Amino acid sequence: DQQVKQNSPSLSVQEGRISILNCDYTNSMFDYFLWYKKYPAEGPTFLISISSIKDKNEDGRFTVFLNKSAKHLSLHIVPSQPGDSAVYFCAASALRGGSNYKLTFGKGTLLTVNP
Amino acid sequence: GAGVSQTPSNKVTEKGKYVELRCDPISGHTALYWYRQSLGQGPEFLIYFQGTGAADDSGLPNDRFFAVRPEGSVSTLKIQRTERGDSAVYLCASSASGTGGMSGGYTFGSGTRLTVV
Repeated sequence: DQQVKQNSPSLSVQEGRISILNCDYTNSMFDYFLWYKKYPAEGPTFLISISSIKDKNEDGRFTVFLNKSAKHLSLHIVPSQPGDSAVYFCAASALRGGSNYKLTFGKGTLLTVNP
Repeated sequence: GAGVSQTPSNKVTEKGKYVELRCDPISGHTALYWYRQSLGQGPEFLIYFQGTGAADDSGLPNDRFFAVRPEGSVSTLKIQRTERGDSAVYLCASSASGTGGMSGGYTFGSGTRLTVV
């Protein structure tokens, strides 16, 4: 039972364009969301996060949007660069539920940015 | 250390054997986590240590899996009577406090790729 779903296994975009990665969740206890980026043979690295009290968080080229009513979040990368090519994982935690240490991950989306 | 270090980076073992996977967290990080990433899946939570004690081991799949952190720093994940289904990348992570599920998240190591043949 996947509580965090990334329904697109892969995404290919042209350099300079926008990349939009989507994530849906089913557990209404989740109130904090994170995106991780993973290169081959490396561990995931933290990219950006958002609390459920916000609907948007921006950090440079990366913006995360949260739609609580739809239980949906998305990561926008603008402009996309070839170095952004990696697997992106969406993750969630339940701070109010006392499990602020545990992350539930989606299966990931492989982003390829073509020069 | 500067990052989370995991050894070995790769381990091939025969079905039924015992293996130990080691994790050196970032110096001073009190919280340590083990996750398992199977092929085509995202990382799945195994166990969380706060200091020396396992605060939550609910993700360990069965009693063949055990983890220790005797001095509150290095941790070892131990798998007995390995099975082919145990093949995965085992990721260790650490954070300064037990709130790694928020703010800056965890810092992950590069993982140990375990292959059971």
